[in-house]
Amino acid sequence: EVQLVESGGGLVKPGGSLRLSCAASGFSFSSYSMHWVRQAPGKGLEWVSCIRGFNSNTYYADSVKGRFIVSRDNAKNSLFLQMDSLTAEDTALYYCARYHDTGFFYVDYWGQGTLVIVSS
Amino acid sequence: DIQLTQSPSFLSASVGDRVTITCRASQDINSLLAWLQQKPGKAPKLLIFAASTLQSGVPSRFSGSGYGTEFTLTISSLQPEDFGTYYCQHFKDFPITFGQGTRLEIK
Repeated sequence: EVQLVESGGGLVKPGGSLRLSCAASGFSFSSYSMHWVRQAPGKGLEWVSCIRGFNSNTYYADSVKGRFIVSRDNAKNSLFLQMDSLTAEDTALYYCARYHDTGFFYVDYWGQGTLVIVSS
Repeated sequence: DIQLTQSPSFLSASVGDRVTITCRASQDINSLLAWLQQKPGKAPKLLIFAASTLQSGVPSRFSGSGYGTEFTLTISSLQPEDFGTYYCQHFKDFPITFGQGTRLEIK
């Protein structure tokens, strides 16, 4: 069974940093690209970042470029999101999600999310 | 960046109704579109990918169609458990974007 479990969220002051983790199980993690998607309270879904499975190329939304870094440890089946220079606009539930990007393209599994609150 | 615009933003319908949600892309995205359902407090769930392919386990009352810039999600006979917010998402290139969502209420 595919499982994605996020952790690392919490309350952080503006300008602070946080590192999110996503533990993956039930599939060949290294074979899949992975996304981070966030959802501010009461708002819609916003794509944040993607890291490819086969070459670890990374992609970012303009809103986080230069502040967030996505990485992965295939040996530990783990995905990470280092978030620096946080602002109130980064307050959201952060989901990691599995990306099927060979043949067809879609995100088929999501974690339950980890909540990040940026507030003084 | 490719913008996705969903309509309507809110929809109230009765059990048994046929419901259609539209997603328009700001440029041609071929068939690189997915539909997701999200219920309150839950993670999104994939319904449709490649514009019209039903994800495994999703009831056949859900269907998708379209190509290029205009897409639709149809629920042929609305059921009580279909409440929630529906999103379209494209995969044409980065940045990947979502539509703003359509909240579906059961009357």
